[in-house]
Amino acid sequence: AAGVIQSPRHLIKEKRETATLKCYPIPRHDTVYWYQQGPGQDPQFLISFYEKMQSDKGSIPDRFSAQQFSDYHSELNMSSLELGDSALYFCASSPGLAGGGTDTQYFGPGTRLTVL
Amino acid sequence: AQSVAQPEDQVNVAEGNPLTVKCTYSVSGNPYLFWYVQYPNRGLQFLLKYITGDNLVKGSYGFEAEFNKSQTSFHLKKPSALVSDSALYFCAVRERDNYGQNFVFGPGTRLSVLP
Repeated sequence: AAGVIQSPRHLIKEKRETATLKCYPIPRHDTVYWYQQGPGQDPQFLISFYEKMQSDKGSIPDRFSAQQFSDYHSELNMSSLELGDSALYFCASSPGLAGGGTDTQYFGPGTRLTVL
Repeated sequence: AQSVAQPEDQVNVAEGNPLTVKCTYSVSGNPYLFWYVQYPNRGLQFLLKYITGDNLVKGSYGFEAEFNKSQTSFHLKKPSALVSDSALYFCAVRERDNYGQNFVFGPGTRLSVLP
């Protein structure tokens, strides 16, 4: 079965550069979640989208933005990168309760961002 | 590779009764184990973790988990369930790959506490 796809799997950037991470949810899933996991840290919830609208917001810095597109894939845009942004970024998708499905989250493999 | 199993998709319990959500793991070394809770349409929230030390770990909202090395289990427990505990619970293990550490999550168990 198809799983959540994240691209790229690894990304290296320099300070003050920008980065875009992409997440392709499981087909027919309309809800996407983004998490950040720093080295030795627990995953922290960043933001989520349902039907292309922001549904919940966590500890996402102002330098980051995200959106969900008509095909339900989502992109996390990160600007003015700092060394502390180096982390593993997980995306998860779920069918969504509002859509009559469950809210079980299916996690992608993550994108490892390294800021030099 | 490390893995996590949650054998029950759904757990139903009456309010006031004790609850248990099961988790078993497979790791090659010492496990770092975690429990997260997800309320409807919300992101994951950290409950508790086991790194080392006492096998009984206490966490948020009155939850606790017992690490059992011989049974490779890390079951989540609460002495007296509340209706507000109804949510999705994820067990996770931290693994290390060539680039660092990341999390492997179980499939989740839906807990329904009935009034």
